[in-house]
Amino acid sequence: AQSVTQLDSQVPVFEEAPVELRCNYSSSVSVYLFWYVQYPNQGLQLLLKYLSGSTLVKGINGFEAEFNKSQTSFHLRKPSVHISDTAEYFCAVSGTAAGNKLTFGGGTRVLVKP
Amino acid sequence: DAGITQSPRHKVTETGTPVTLRCHQTENHRYMYWYRQDPGHGLRLIHYSYGVKDTDKGEVSDGYSVSRSKTEDFLLTLESATSSQTSVYFCAMTDRLNTEAFFGQGTRLTVV
Repeated sequence: AQSVTQLDSQVPVFEEAPVELRCNYSSSVSVYLFWYVQYPNQGLQLLLKYLSGSTLVKGINGFEAEFNKSQTSFHLRKPSVHISDTAEYFCAVSGTAAGNKLTFGGGTRVLVKP
Repeated sequence: DAGITQSPRHKVTETGTPVTLRCHQTENHRYMYWYRQDPGHGLRLIHYSYGVKDTDKGEVSDGYSVSRSKTEDFLLTLESATSSQTSVYFCAMTDRLNTEAFFGQGTRLTVV
């Protein structure tokens, strides 16, 4: 079994400030890790993913995340946010075997203020 | 866009009526999933499919059934809709490498 905890349900942030969204997971098997973004009234879009290799993963729109196996974390960061980054962000984990299901965290709503 | 679509996109139905949501993919992917999205809960897995006629329950399967008679179609049925099933439903698919899930645009279902 696996689980994901997103430690912040809402994060208000001023435009051009940095933001960090925290994600911790638990799993008894090797994992793939993902961050998805959902803009208002839209579906889910993949921001970035960790499959293997370098623990620092770069994604779209200037986001990056760092996989920390010892702390079972996969925190998402952006050095300078824009108004257009206002959205809900979901961390997710899956096992590495074919057909392993994605398990999502509860989501973090980011509100970027001017 | 990855080839996965859901229909309908919006539906209002009455308590006690059956409802079927359709997910259609054009990628010939083996694995398909139905999730529901509720505030504070993220996305929770309802049912999933490993292939034609091969399905299994997820964490919130009570009150739902699924069918997959063709690779491209994965149907979710609410046998007798209840107000607690008011939600946004997402279909997803993954390839055999499981390195990315592709999502449909979602179906907003309201049970009154």
